Amino acid sequence: EVQLLESGGGLVQPEGSLRLSCAASGFTFSSYAMSWVRQAPGKGLEWVASISGGSGSTDYADSVKGRFTISRDNSKNTLFLQMNSLRAEDTAVYYCARDHFTAMVLLLDYWGQGALITVSS
Amino acid sequence: EIVMTQSPATLSVSPGERATLSCRASQSISSNLAWYQQKPGQAPRLLIYGASTRATGIPARFSGSGSGTEFTLAISSLQSEDFAVYYCQQYNNWPPRGTFGPGTKVDIK
Repeated sequence: EVQLLESGGGLVQPEGSLRLSCAASGFTFSSYAMSWVRQAPGKGLEWVASISGGSGSTDYADSVKGRFTISRDNSKNTLFLQMNSLRAEDTAVYYCARDHFTAMVLLLDYWGQGALITVSS
Repeated sequence: EIVMTQSPATLSVSPGERATLSCRASQSISSNLAWYQQKPGQAPRLLIYGASTRATGIPARFSGSGSGTEFTLAISSLQSEDFAVYYCQQYNNWPPRGTFGPGTKVDIK
């Protein structure tokens, strides 16, 4: 059974940093692209960042480019999102999701339960 | 950049009735469209991909159709567990990747 479990959420001050983790199990983690998708309170879904399987190529939404870094540790079946220079508008539930493919296609077939990030002073 | 729109924003349906949700892309995305269901407090769940293929474990009452720019999700006979928000998403073009529509909320009439 595919499982994705996010951790690392919480309250952070503006301009602060936080790192999210997503522990994956039930599939060959290195073979799949992975993504982070966020959802602000009461709002819709927004793609944040993706990393491919294999080469580990990355891509980011313009809203987080230069501030967030996605990475993966295939030896530990874990996905990360390092978030720096956080802003109030980054407040959201952050979902880890598996792509159906090795490449960053964004067909997201499994999702974690989400981690809430609140950016506030 | 592709913009996804969905209509209606809210659909009120009685249990057992059919629901039809629409999704439109601002330019052709072939059949590279997915539908997701999200219930309150839960993560999204993949329902349909390739515009018309049901994901693993999705009941046959869910069906998708369309190609190019116009797409439809139909729920043939709404069950209590189907009241949720439904998002369409294109995965054909980038940047940006995986553009989602704003969602359609299906609630109880």
